[in-house]
Amino acid sequence: NAGVTQTPKFQVLKTGQSMTLQCAQDMNHNSMYWYRQDPGMGLRLIYYSASEGTTDKGEVPNGYNVSRLNKREFSLRLESAAPSQTSVYFCASSADRYNQPQHFGDGTRLSIL
Amino acid sequence: AQSVTQLDSQVPVFEEAPVELRCNYSSSVSVYLFWYVQYPNQGLQLLLKYLSGSTLVKGINGFEAEFNKSQTSFHLRKPSVHISDTAEYFCAVTRTDGVGNQFYFGTGTSLTVIP
Repeated sequence: NAGVTQTPKFQVLKTGQSMTLQCAQDMNHNSMYWYRQDPGMGLRLIYYSASEGTTDKGEVPNGYNVSRLNKREFSLRLESAAPSQTSVYFCASSADRYNQPQHFGDGTRLSIL
Repeated sequence: AQSVTQLDSQVPVFEEAPVELRCNYSSSVSVYLFWYVQYPNQGLQLLLKYLSGSTLVKGINGFEAEFNKSQTSFHLRKPSVHISDTAEYFCAVTRTDGVGNQFYFGTGTSLTVIP
C-alpha cells in the first residue's frame, strides 16, 4: 500500500551542485505533479505530466527540469542548485479524471547552502 | 485563472470547541473544491471534496464543509476538535472542464488545538 514514494527524504546540497529527486507511484495514475512548499506560500506547482511522454510547466518552473520516465516514475532535476531552491518538495499523482483528488508523497526536504 | 484565499493563517482553538477554517476562491468557470490536511513531516491527505449535488459535504475525522456558490466559499467546520486535529489545512480548486489539469492551493491554515 505504498501510494506515492519519494526519495530521498532529506538532502543537503552546496550551491551549484546538481541533484535529481525521484518519485514513483503504484496506483496506475496517468497524471503526476511536482510542487514546492514554502512557509506562508502554500504549494506551488513546478511541473506536471498529464500522461506518459508529456510534461508541462507550472507556476514556478525556472531552475528545474523533469522527466516522465514511464507511467510510474516522474523525476525532478535541479541542474545548478541555488539557496532560493531550499524548500520541501512534494510529488503527487491523480487518476486521469480531473475531478479525482491528488495523492501525495511524504516530501523531500532540501537545503541548499 | 483560478485562485484560492485562506483568510486565516493560524487558528488556535481549545479542545472540544468548534472550529471553522475559511476558504474563498476566485474563478471565471465552474470548479471542484477540496480540503486537504497535512500532519507534521507528512504529505497532504484528502479530507473531503465537493464535485456536485448537496452543498454540505462530509469528510473524514468528523469534518464537513459547505459550498456556497454565491459567496464563492468553501469553509471547513468541525463541531468539536481533538488534540489530534492539530495540523495544516489546505483548500484547493480545479476546473470542472479539466482544462490545464491543475490544482490550485491556498496558502494553508495552521490549526492548533489547545488542551
